[in-house]
Amino acid sequence: DTAVSQTPKYLVTQMGNDKSIKCEQNLGHDTMYWYKQDSKKFLKIMFSYNNKELIINETVPNRFSPKSPDKAHLNLHINSLELGDSAVYFCASSQDRREWGYTFGSGTRLTVV
Amino acid sequence: GNSVTQMEGPVTLSEEAFLTINCTYTATGYPSLFWYVQYPGEGLQLLLKATKADDKGSNKGFEATYRKETTSFHLEKGSVQVSDSAVYFCALSETWAGANSKLTFGKGITLSVRP
Repeated sequence: DTAVSQTPKYLVTQMGNDKSIKCEQNLGHDTMYWYKQDSKKFLKIMFSYNNKELIINETVPNRFSPKSPDKAHLNLHINSLELGDSAVYFCASSQDRREWGYTFGSGTRLTVV
Repeated sequence: GNSVTQMEGPVTLSEEAFLTINCTYTATGYPSLFWYVQYPGEGLQLLLKATKADDKGSNKGFEATYRKETTSFHLEKGSVQVSDSAVYFCALSETWAGANSKLTFGKGITLSVRP
């Protein structure tokens, strides 16, 4: 049983297209996150949702729109893809206790050409 | 704001060598501290954690001690193996619990272990 699963694992698309990445967790966690990892491996939070409510939005362009239909799912939709969006996107989940850390998905490698 | 600083990499060691990866942090209050590991082509896995000053986290032969006086959480292993080759991230979680909490990561450091 995969705890946090993302699909697809790889995504290659052309500039200007719209794409979505899906994430599901079966851990019963209350909070889910999207992180972006750039080519230098630096990780930066993009969004967090708690029980379907947007909590953190870290100065991400409006082209990125998260959607949480229920607390087990957090999807990321990206409009008008740009070359600079190429990165690995990680979904994660946690309970609302700071000392428990996060459980990460295996990542989606997005390549915009 | 909160921040985590890791030593510059990459690091290349021979098998059975001693490993130290430095990590220092800036935070208000008393954060929880973590080390995550990312093996090639995979997501991040929690390696170890410490939630208060002087706590020692340990796992798979790795150790790190939460040092409030030096705001550090250095990762150590006495004898590295080729299978330890990965990217290592130091991270902190803000003092207060709840939905607004987030993990702040260091830049990560790539470790390569030669046979």
